[in-house]
Amino acid sequence: EVHLFESGGGLVQPGGSLRLSCAASGFTFSSYAMSWVRQAPGKGLEWVSTISGRGVTTYYADSVMGRFTISRDTSNSTLYLHMNSLRGEDTALYYCAKTGGTTVSPYDHWGQGALVTVSS
Amino acid sequence: EIVLTQSPDFQSVTPKEKVTITCRASQSIGSSLHWYQQKPDQSPKLLIKFASQSISGVPSRFSGGGSGTDFTLIINSLEPEDAATYYCHQSSSLPQTFGQGTKLEI
Repeated sequence: EVHLFESGGGLVQPGGSLRLSCAASGFTFSSYAMSWVRQAPGKGLEWVSTISGRGVTTYYADSVMGRFTISRDTSNSTLYLHMNSLRGEDTALYYCAKTGGTTVSPYDHWGQGALVTVSS
Repeated sequence: EIVLTQSPDFQSVTPKEKVTITCRASQSIGSSLHWYQQKPDQSPKLLIKFASQSISGVPSRFSGGGSGTDFTLIINSLEPEDAATYYCHQSSSLPQTFGQGTKLEI
């Protein structure tokens, strides 16, 4: 059974940094592209970033380009999102999502989310 | 950026009713359109992939159709547990985008 568990969320001041982690289990981690999708309080879903199965290719939304970095560690089946220069508009629940395989596949499993609050 | 526009934004429905939610893309996306259900305080759940492909474990009353720019999610014989917000999502081109959501109140 697939499990995705996010951690690392919290309260951070504007301009600060945070690293989210997503521990994956129940599937061959390196065979699937993974993504981060966020949801601001009371709002809809917003794609943030995607990384290919082997970690060679990464993609970012314009709103986070240059500030966020997605990475993965196959040795411990963990996905990361390094977030720098955080802004108030980055406040959201951040979901780790597994694709059906490639970077254009839909998200067939989601974690429970990690809440990031950017406020002074 | 491909904009996905869902309609309606909100619908109040009764059990056993048939519901149709539409998703219109600002440009052609082939069949790279997927549907999710999100219940309050829960993570999204994949309902339909690539416009019309069913997902194992999803009740057969959920079906999808369309291609190009116009897509539909149909829920036949609505159940009380179908109260949720439904989102369409395109993976045809970057940035991936989601529709604004359709909230069903039962």
